[in-house]
Amino acid sequence: NAGVTQTPKFQVLKTGQSMTLQCAQDMNHNSMYWYRQDPGMGLRLIYYSASEGTTDKGEVPNGYNVSRLNKREFSLRLESAAPSQTSVYFCASSKTGGIPDTQYFGPGTRLTVL
Amino acid sequence: AQSVTQLDSHVSVSEGTPVLLRCNYSSSYSPSLFWYVQHPNKGLQLLLKYTSAATLVKGINGFEAEFKKSETSFHLTKPSAHMSDAAEYFCVVSGGKLIFGQGTELSVKP
Repeated sequence: NAGVTQTPKFQVLKTGQSMTLQCAQDMNHNSMYWYRQDPGMGLRLIYYSASEGTTDKGEVPNGYNVSRLNKREFSLRLESAAPSQTSVYFCASSKTGGIPDTQYFGPGTRLTVL
Repeated sequence: AQSVTQLDSHVSVSEGTPVLLRCNYSSSYSPSLFWYVQHPNKGLQLLLKYTSAATLVKGINGFEAEFKKSETSFHLTKPSAHMSDAAEYFCVVSGGKLIFGQGTELSVKP
């Protein structure tokens, strides 16, 4: 039981390049999330998927797109990377997305945009 | 609207002494509250959560937190710090989506 896995662990991009961050969970959870973590700002929600087939914007969605590929997988795409997107990205999942559902986090992807 | 404020960005304690990490919240209704821990270069792990049952919540690794509605606080404590407790701690309020505090970095001196 791996929990939440993310690939890659590290990535360096040049401004304007695109890439997709992958996330998968094996806990049969319905809801999945993408966050970014910046120093002194905690975690901020980028997008979430309450259930398979649905996605919604979070607090900071600009510059990102997501795909809920199936119940297990939720990917985050940067179409044209910018230095402001240098951050640590975390994927999380929860059983239902309701209150007070516990979210389980992956190990993170450290992205640098030059 | 909901918000959470962690009152200290950095706390330093000696091994074997008590730990206190402070968190105040704002919520228009009865909140669910969490503490998560993040060890260096790792993901976040749930320490404990409050869901309107007992106001004193016990978590993993000897941590506990007390929900005080009158003070809108949810401070995290541990009687005796261990070197392995050195990490960043996040107080989180839930109103459907999680709202994270800015984090408190805990250092433990030998």
